[in-house]
Amino acid sequence: GAGVSQSPSNKVTEKGKDVELRCDPISGHTALYWYRQSLGQGLEFLIYFQGNSAPDKSGLPSDRFSAERTGGSVSTLTIQRTQQEDSAVYLCASSLDGGLTDTQYFGPGTRLTVL
Amino acid sequence: GQNIDQPTEMTATEGAIVQINCTYQTSGFNGLFWYQQHAGEAPTFLSYNVLDGLEEKGRFSSFLSRSKGYSYLLLKELQMKDSASYLCARGGSSNTGKLIFGQGTTLQVKP
Repeated sequence: GAGVSQSPSNKVTEKGKDVELRCDPISGHTALYWYRQSLGQGLEFLIYFQGNSAPDKSGLPSDRFSAERTGGSVSTLTIQRTQQEDSAVYLCASSLDGGLTDTQYFGPGTRLTVL
Repeated sequence: GQNIDQPTEMTATEGAIVQINCTYQTSGFNGLFWYQQHAGEAPTFLSYNVLDGLEEKGRFSSFLSRSKGYSYLLLKELQMKDSASYLCARGGSSNTGKLIFGQGTTLQVKP
């Protein structure tokens, strides 16, 4: 596609349920990032993929959070046993090769609300 | 830490000039990015500075002083559509390309 796409755009779930968020990066981009944007906060880095590997998972807030990437393309962020503090906009970004000067292109995000 | 500080909110008048400042901790610096984010939309890339000085792109310019850990985004000839959040971000100290963001500055342009 022309840009980064994410689905769903909105997700409302009950506390304790699991959720999966999907990201389709720009075709040909080897680097993929997940960020979280909580109300009134800046974007917070979660995880970085280079191809299908995740050399940097340092931002995942707990072991309830996991992510995978398959075929060097689509990525899924999974949150198990969701908590109210997980409510945020989850943004995915991709860049050509993950270089320090690479421009990251963001998707529109998934707004997650945990009731 | 890699704290990034920028003002939370700013207001300016259509047609005017506004400067949005950003300060950051200098250790492990790998470049400074500015993104624009309209409400409910994805952040979009505006500029990148890695060397000291001013980079100009049309109505938008970005300045960097590495020794001072300071950057600013300058918006000229403000238009109503410039009302948005402006996000300052620096490269993380690792070499993974991840970005460390400030909390963003919400700019409101008034007629």
